[in-house]
Amino acid sequence: QQQVKQSPQSLIVQKGGISIINCAYENTAFDYFPWYQQFPGKGPALLIAIRPDVSEKKEGRFTISFNKSAKQFSLHIMDSQPGDSATYFCAANSNFGNEKLTFGTGTRLTIIP
Amino acid sequence: SAVISQKPSRDICQRGTSLTIQCQVDSQVTMMFWYRQQPGQSLTLIATANQGSEATYESGFVIDKFPISRPNLTFSTLTVSNLSPEDSSIYLCSVSQGARHGYTFGSGTRLTVV
Repeated sequence: QQQVKQSPQSLIVQKGGISIINCAYENTAFDYFPWYQQFPGKGPALLIAIRPDVSEKKEGRFTISFNKSAKQFSLHIMDSQPGDSATYFCAANSNFGNEKLTFGTGTRLTIIP
Repeated sequence: SAVISQKPSRDICQRGTSLTIQCQVDSQVTMMFWYRQQPGQSLTLIATANQGSEATYESGFVIDKFPISRPNLTFSTLTVSNLSPEDSSIYLCSVSQGARHGYTFGSGTRLTVV
């Protein structure tokens, strides 16, 4: 009930391409869905987040798409750059972000020139 | 968003000893969280620490092994006790600032037990 499933485990994308990472959740009480970016030796940093009252949120090259009926959400990175190479975690929690986070398993993204 | 200072950044410890990790936040926060991250893996919540009350531990984590202190609204410590090689991991503290700022994480403590 508390799981957040994330795929793929690793992803290689050419520079300038679109990176897509997918997540699915089971707990219908979740109402806050953030994505975190983690570089080696650093803690995760909030990248972008969405609430279930909208189907899409865009911030620069990063877009979250949200499908409430399917209980799925995805991160799209447009015009992917080598500096985007990092591990990405989707997450979810309830009470609009004020409860403990449940993390996905992570996706290691590598952008090649 | 909050800035977290976590110390030490890394340590190598002998089995059977303990390591105490400190987490200092630059603003007052109600809840602080301690996570464990195995290299290349996701984050697993160890416990939630509220000021003035006992920490709440997740399944599989116990107070005797992971005692936590939360003396005020800006500071917390996590001790990993009776170390074994299986405790080798990255430990991270985090604070929640609601939906607007999400969770902020410290840079982590990389623990190696030999």
